[in-house]
Amino acid sequence: QKEVEQDPGPLSVPEGAIVSLNCTYSNSAFQYFMWYRQYSRKGPELLMYTYSSGNKEDGRFTAQVDKSSKYISLFIRDSQPSDSATYLCAAEKGRRALTFGSGTRLQVQP
Amino acid sequence: GEEVAQTPKHLVRGEGQKAKLYCAPIKGHSYVFWYQQVLKNEFKFLISFQNENVFDETGMPKERFSAKCLPNSPCSLEIQATKLEDSAVYFCASSEYRESNQPQHFGDGTRLSIL
Repeated sequence: QKEVEQDPGPLSVPEGAIVSLNCTYSNSAFQYFMWYRQYSRKGPELLMYTYSSGNKEDGRFTAQVDKSSKYISLFIRDSQPSDSATYLCAAEKGRRALTFGSGTRLQVQP
Repeated sequence: GEEVAQTPKHLVRGEGQKAKLYCAPIKGHSYVFWYQQVLKNEFKFLISFQNENVFDETGMPKERFSAKCLPNSPCSLEIQATKLEDSAVYFCASSEYRESNQPQHFGDGTRLSIL
């Protein structure tokens, strides 16, 4: 079993929809959680970085962490065609290697 | 600079040849990480540095892979006697050193093709 599990999708939504992306993790030692967006032939771009359980909002993006159930989510409001990309969740124990989920491909249809 | 800079963008080598990849971390960042991305977005951690010192090399294949981060030079990842299975995108990431943990920022990668 992988330490970070992520539904690979693909996920197709109409423009303006709310998108929900989810990951689960199994290792209680993970303390920090990230969401990255990766466009084709580009590097992962940091979207959200969280430490504690709860919600963190940045513009159209909200990251949610529930450490009791080992569940992390990313919500995208008012989705745009430019949001079409692969979304990667990642977990870290602190100044250490990231453990990535397998990524979810998102397609936002105009 | 403000971005992690990786060179070259694409590197083609024949099986058995040497490959060397470079990474300039964001200015002021003390940690450098190397990852290998193979099929279906699978990221494999290779090695990390704190300044010029190896911080964690648990993911590094021992036999053919080596890496360095020397002062005033880009970090490098070198693969000797390349094999077909080394074909992948190699990403470098860097992060600041502060009292609290800081996120990693990635470059755009070097696509290594072994023929």
